[in-house]
Amino acid sequence: SQTIHQWPATLVQPVGSPLSLECTVEGTSNPNLYWYRQAAGRGLQLLFYSVGIGQISSEVPQNLSASRPQDRQFILSSKKLLLSDSGFYLCAARRGGNSPLHFGNGTRLTVT
Amino acid sequence: ILNVEQSPQSLHVQEGDSTNFTCSFPSSNFYALHWYRWETAKSPEALFVMTLNGDEKKKGRISATLNTKEGYSYLYIKGSQPEDSATYLCAFDTDKLIFGTGTRLQVFP
Repeated sequence: SQTIHQWPATLVQPVGSPLSLECTVEGTSNPNLYWYRQAAGRGLQLLFYSVGIGQISSEVPQNLSASRPQDRQFILSSKKLLLSDSGFYLCAARRGGNSPLHFGNGTRLTVT
Repeated sequence: ILNVEQSPQSLHVQEGDSTNFTCSFPSSNFYALHWYRWETAKSPEALFVMTLNGDEKKKGRISATLNTKEGYSYLYIKGSQPEDSATYLCAFDTDKLIFGTGTRLQVFP
């Protein structure tokens, strides 16, 4: 079965500081990888997804970026955080086709 | 922009009541529809993945139906228990998964 490792669990960062959230996957090769964000009082918003190394699709224009340097590693970054970047970030993975998503435990980001 | 809607937004029921929620999605270019349960302080967990019009799936007291022609899916919980309290999410699958805003269920003893 797949295990999604995501860290850190919580993060408090000042406005304008950089961000790096990392996600690694065990138990499957060549997974489809996803970054979601839940802002306060809202649903899960898809930020990025990747079907292979170096292949990133961006869903929402913003100051965030994603990279997939290895098959089972997915990184979410920002050069300068905004207050509106606060939220709960979830990494997810699945095998190909219409298989279900497996989620990490999430990162609670507060930008102050 | 794909629109996936869920109703109601929240639901409070008594233990033993049966309940159901709705997920509406685009009826064109259908690939799959997912249901997830998201309990507080945990990660979302998959309940069902549904692909065929008329599909019915069941897991214990929870079941789901799918109508791809009219673009909706129902999730049913029979005899709700306090441990069923969670947010129930549906997701429209087109390789990327677009989630609805969820239905928050609270079951009171």
